[in-house]
Amino acid sequence: ELKVEQNPLFLSMQEGKNYTIYCNYSTTSDRLYWYRQDPGKSLESLFVLLSNGAVKQEGRLMASLDTKARLSTLHITAAVHDLSATYFCAFDGGATNKLIFGTGTLLAVQP
Amino acid sequence: KAGVTQTPRYLIKTRGQQVTLSCSPISGHRSVSWYQQTPGQGLQFLFEYFSETQRNKGNFPGRFSGRQFSNSRSEMNVSTLELGDSALYLCASSSLPNNREQYFGPGTRLTVT
Repeated sequence: ELKVEQNPLFLSMQEGKNYTIYCNYSTTSDRLYWYRQDPGKSLESLFVLLSNGAVKQEGRLMASLDTKARLSTLHITAAVHDLSATYFCAFDGGATNKLIFGTGTLLAVQP
Repeated sequence: KAGVTQTPRYLIKTRGQQVTLSCSPISGHRSVSWYQQTPGQGLQFLFEYFSETQRNKGNFPGRFSGRQFSNSRSEMNVSTLELGDSALYLCASSSLPNNREQYFGPGTRLTVT
């Protein structure tokens, strides 16, 4: 069964702190995606990681992929309130455009 | 370039009715995927269409169906609605059949009473 385990499910952090969200997936895949979702909104693409060892950074967010460990991380540096949202990781479930999503991590950044 | 559009944005239906949701992909994109999002089950893949052909289907009952037109617009239909079908339905488009990135529409919020 294709599965994605994401943790933590909920993360409350103070502004200025650092933290990491973990995403483990169950099968070999060299494509891993990170999305952001604001309440009541759609999914916004953050990162597409296409190969082992891939690292991408955008502002205070940095994502990495270790295909051997089947692990991706999303690191938040010096969090700000605007980063409060739900973050999803997903991997490609086959030869078509089928994404298998994690449970999501609700991030609440407190002032 | 306009993004993915979905209509309607909100819908309230009664159990037993049927509903049709529409998705227009980004211009030039030929692949459309549909996802259901609920608090209990999270985001789940429904199906994907490319060039008017269904290429993959998720684990949903036959009450859920879809189609894609020659202009790449897609519709999904749910017949005999159940309370558990209340969800946010998202469609995503991509330019190629096995593309790396999908772009999501705003979603249709379906409430079944």
